[in-house]
Amino acid sequence: QVQLVESGGGVVQPGRSLRLSCAASGFTFTDYAMHWVRQAPGKGLEWVAVIWFDGSNTYYADSVKGRFTISRDNSRNTLYLQMNSLRADDTAVYYCARDPYYAPIYYFDSWGQGTLVTVSS
Amino acid sequence: DIQMTQSPSSLSASVGDRVTITCRASQGIANYLAWYQQKPGKVPKLLIYAASTLQPGVPSRFRGSGSGTDFKLTISSLQPEDVATYYCQKYKSVPPFGQGTKVEIK
Repeated sequence: QVQLVESGGGVVQPGRSLRLSCAASGFTFTDYAMHWVRQAPGKGLEWVAVIWFDGSNTYYADSVKGRFTISRDNSRNTLYLQMNSLRADDTAVYYCARDPYYAPIYYFDSWGQGTLVTVSS
Repeated sequence: DIQMTQSPSSLSASVGDRVTITCRASQGIANYLAWYQQKPGKVPKLLIYAASTLQPGVPSRFRGSGSGTDFKLTISSLQPEDVATYYCQKYKSVPPFGQGTKVEIK
């Protein structure tokens, strides 16, 4: 079965960096676009970034553009999110999520369990 | 940018009741609409895509309808395990979510 396991969350000071990972298993990772979606405490869902199946294209929400970088290592079946210049309003649970297609259609048919990022001094 | 507006923001109903949640898009989105269920403390789960197509394994009491700008998620007979927040989401391009509808048992 599809498994997505995030790691790398934690407490970080404003302005610092953090890298999240998402290990995928149970499906052919290279067949799917992948996303990061976040959820601030007690709030709704916010799409963050997407990467094509082969890493050839990426897109970002305006709220993270220029600060976050999504990437993938298809040889390791792993998705990443490099987060720089973190701000308090980046505090959220970050989910990796699978798109149903290799070029994204932007809905999410499988989700990881999430990893909490807290930005605080 | 397209905005998605759900109503109501919360509801309370009895077991066995028919429950309807509405989602409205600020512009027409054809049938590019998904619904997710997020139980308390859990991960979101895809229920419906293409406005009305049930994801495999989703109980048949869930039904999606609509196209264009107006969509509905209907639970035909509310069960205790349906307590959750439900989100609509426009897709096919950068996806806004609705703000969520919290469903509770009366």
